[in-house]
Amino acid sequence: AQRVTQPEKLLSVFKGAPVELKCNYSYSGSPELFWYVQYSRQRLQLLLRHISRESIKGFTADLNKGETSFHLKKPFAQEEDSAMYYCALQYYGGATNKLIFGTGTLLAVQP
Amino acid sequence: EADIYQTPRYLVIGTGKKITLECSQTMGHDKMYWYQQDPGMELHLIHYSYGVNSTEKGDLSSESTVSRIRTEHFPLTLESARPSHTSQYLCASSETGGSYNEQFFGPGTRLTVL
Repeated sequence: AQRVTQPEKLLSVFKGAPVELKCNYSYSGSPELFWYVQYSRQRLQLLLRHISRESIKGFTADLNKGETSFHLKKPFAQEEDSAMYYCALQYYGGATNKLIFGTGTLLAVQP
Repeated sequence: EADIYQTPRYLVIGTGKKITLECSQTMGHDKMYWYQQDPGMELHLIHYSYGVNSTEKGDLSSESTVSRIRTEHFPLTLESARPSHTSQYLCASSETGGSYNEQFFGPGTRLTVL
């Protein structure tokens, strides 16, 4: 069965330090992975998707099929990066595609 | 302005009451979803719809029901609320077509059943 694991509930770093939010998945098909973010008092929103291979707000994520991972990275954390980050796996079930979310990691960037 | 609306944002209600959580979107999306999220836990898909008059149960079993009579409206109903229903409920929508579609989320309804 498909599953998304985010091992860290909380990650605290200082401003300017590198950040890596871990995400591992299990899925028998070809994975489509996303990172969603929820800033304080805001809605859950898409941060980036692996298929776009893009950098958003300085964040990147590389899909590693061998390690079944999709870790989110940023070289220099900013205070405004503090938020809840969810890794999500898209799979096809029924007549539509669905998302499975991890439990989320709270990133706290200290000044 | 294209958006997803959820009402109420907060609801505290007694056991046994019937409640309806409203979700409407002006995004023009065909697909809509309901997720349930307990504090500190992942979001679980409880219902989805890929168009008018189509509803399916999600991965997490739920005692709630949904309807999709209009494209823009996807209400969730609990016939008899219980304390175990206390949770946050998130509504989302996405476009049809393409190999993957970003889901857009509403602000959520935080339900407390006493």
